[in-house]
Amino acid sequence: DTGVSQDPRHKITKRGQNVTFRCDPISEHNRLYWYRQTLGQGPEFLTYFQNEAQLEKSRLLSDRFSAERPKGSFSTLEIQRTEQGDSAMYLCASSSTVEQYFGPGTRLTVT
Amino acid sequence: GENVEQHPSTLSVQEGDSAVIKCTYSDSASNYFPWYKQELGKGPQLIIDIRSNVGEKKDQRIAVTLNKTAKHFSLHITETQPEDSAVYFCAASIGGNNRLAFGKGNQVVVIP
Repeated sequence: DTGVSQDPRHKITKRGQNVTFRCDPISEHNRLYWYRQTLGQGPEFLTYFQNEAQLEKSRLLSDRFSAERPKGSFSTLEIQRTEQGDSAMYLCASSSTVEQYFGPGTRLTVT
Repeated sequence: GENVEQHPSTLSVQEGDSAVIKCTYSDSASNYFPWYKQELGKGPQLIIDIRSNVGEKKDQRIAVTLNKTAKHFSLHITETQPEDSAVYFCAASIGGNNRLAFGKGNQVVVIP
C-alpha cells in the first residue's frame, strides 16, 4: 500500500500525559498537512510542512502542540499535558501539487 | 473569511436516483475545490475536485459544478448505489499553501 499511513490508529491517554503521533506521507510528496476532526465536523487545519520546513500554523495549535518533519519525509505531532478537549481524530494529508491525500487518522481519547 | 457551508446536512435517496450536495464559500481568493468521501472509521477519500478556471468536471457517476461569481459549488452523484452511503465533505483552498477549509459534511444515505 503506497498511501498515507498513520500510527497509532487509536490512543487512549489520561489527562496530563504527553502523546506523539506519526505520519508517513506518500513517497516523494513534499507537502504535508495535519488536521484535527471532531465528531460531526469537518477537518480543521493545524499545520503545514513543505519538505522539512514548517511554513504555516493555525491559531488552533496551542503551545502544547508541536510538530516536526526532520528529514522531509515522516512527520510527528506531539501534544503535551493533554486535556479532554484534545480528544479528536488527528489526520495527516500529503500532496505533491494541490490534491491532498489523507491517511486513516489517529483517534485520540483523553480520559 | 474562510467559511465553507454545506446543505443539506442529511440526504436520503432511493437507489438509482441522483443526489446533489451544495456548498458555499466566502474567500474569493479560493481557487481549488475538492470533494471528499468519508466512511466510518476511515480518513477522507478524495473523489473529485475542480479548479477555478473550470465550470464543470465529470468522472463516471460523479460530477462537480462551480459558480465563482456566486461562490458556490455542487456535487452530483447519479445512479446512486448503496456503497455511495457515506459522509461527504466539500472544501476550499485557502492561502498560498493551499490549506483546506472544510464544510461540516453531508450524511448521504442510499436506500436499497
